[in-house]
Amino acid sequence: KAGVTQTPRYLIKTRGQQVTLSCSPISGHRSVSWYQQTPGQGLQFLFEYFSETQRNKGNFPGRFSGRQFSNSRSEMNVSTLELGDSALYLCASSLPGTTNEKLFFGSGTQLSVL
Amino acid sequence: AQSVTQLGSHVSVSEGALVLLRCNYSSSVPPYLFWYVQYPNQGLQLLLKYTTGATLVKGINGFEAEFKKSETSFHLTKPSAHMSDAAEYFCAVSEVNRDDKIIFGKGTRLHILP
Repeated sequence: KAGVTQTPRYLIKTRGQQVTLSCSPISGHRSVSWYQQTPGQGLQFLFEYFSETQRNKGNFPGRFSGRQFSNSRSEMNVSTLELGDSALYLCASSLPGTTNEKLFFGSGTQLSVL
Repeated sequence: AQSVTQLGSHVSVSEGALVLLRCNYSSSVPPYLFWYVQYPNQGLQLLLKYTTGATLVKGINGFEAEFKKSETSFHLTKPSAHMSDAAEYFCAVSEVNRDDKIIFGKGTRLHILP
């Protein structure tokens, strides 16, 4: 069974640009969560989608948005990039009813903003 | 709201020595508690979790953790460190029967000295 797949693996953007990151969950998983990982801050929760609906949201500005498609694939968008958005963005999926019990993580997308 | 505090962003132990990584949590309801590990250039994987029942939880690779409600702690231990244990470790919490999100601590990087 394929794991959680995130694309692209690396991304370099400049300030002011926007970026879209993609996440394909494990087959059968309907919940997708997104986290931002930076040195010293650990993982900060961005949002979680279940059945195409945002179910939870962290404390990030509106420049960070996401969506989920009917096949459970999810995308995350960051508009008007800032230097501080440089981070590893991790996507995680889970089985229905177990989102607060176990997450399966992808390898992440490393975003560098210059 | 739930939160997690990991004491020590870096911990160094000698190969063969006891590993102890500290985690304290805050939760207004009974928590689910987790330890995840992240190896270089990879996503996170679940080491162990506490949901209900026995407070001493055994995980993969010889790790275990004990849930102590009176101390609001969930420290991770391993009797004898191996070089392959070098990684970053994250403690996490979610709230039973609340929303479906897992909140992570800032992480502890474990260094193994030869």
